[in-house]
Amino acid sequence: GNSVTQMEGPVTLSEEAFLTINCTYTATGYPSLFWYVQYPGEGLQLLLKATKADDKGSNKGFEATYRKETTSFHLEKGSVQVSDSAVYFCALSGYSGGGADGLTFGKGTHLIIQP
Amino acid sequence: KAGVTQTPRYLIKTRGQQVTLSCSPISGHRSVSWYQQTPGQGLQFLFEYFSETQRNKGNFPGRFSGRQFSNSRSEMNVSTLELGDSALYLCASSLAVVSSGNTIYFGEGSWLTVV
Repeated sequence: GNSVTQMEGPVTLSEEAFLTINCTYTATGYPSLFWYVQYPGEGLQLLLKATKADDKGSNKGFEATYRKETTSFHLEKGSVQVSDSAVYFCALSGYSGGGADGLTFGKGTHLIIQP
Repeated sequence: KAGVTQTPRYLIKTRGQQVTLSCSPISGHRSVSWYQQTPGQGLQFLFEYFSETQRNKGNFPGRFSGRQFSNSRSEMNVSTLELGDSALYLCASSLAVVSSGNTIYFGEGSWLTVV
């Protein structure tokens, strides 16, 4: 079946630091890839997505490139802010072959940005 | 336009009781999927409904069930509640089925506590 692996953290950075959150996946076929963000006490908000190899998703200064050769979708941001503190989830959608074709999520990465 | 709306937001139930959670998708969206979020297991897919039909189901016992109405609104039911069912239940909607790669939008969730 499908699976997503991401660093769990917590990841603590200083404001204006460069951010990378690694995400790798296992899937059959050609899944679509997503990054979602969850702020305390809230649901999930879509941050960005990519639907085919070499696509780059971007939003709010965050970006991630769909790398099929390395089965990765790493999240990056050049200069983080305190307001970026949240939990970030990498996810994929696609046919798993086993019938449970919902979104498959990583465990989430808790990001803490210190002023 | 209005987002995905879930009710109730918070509820407390006793072991052995049953609970029904409701979800109103974004207007025009025909797919509704449900997810359980717990600290230990993370985000897990429960089931997906499209055009009133259950499309697929995750690895959950038969106590977890759902349905979708002709207006795309969905409900999920958990019978004979167990302490381990305490979780945040998230509903998500999209224009087409999840596995198609369409963007999936989440509600803020229903927090269920079983005592």
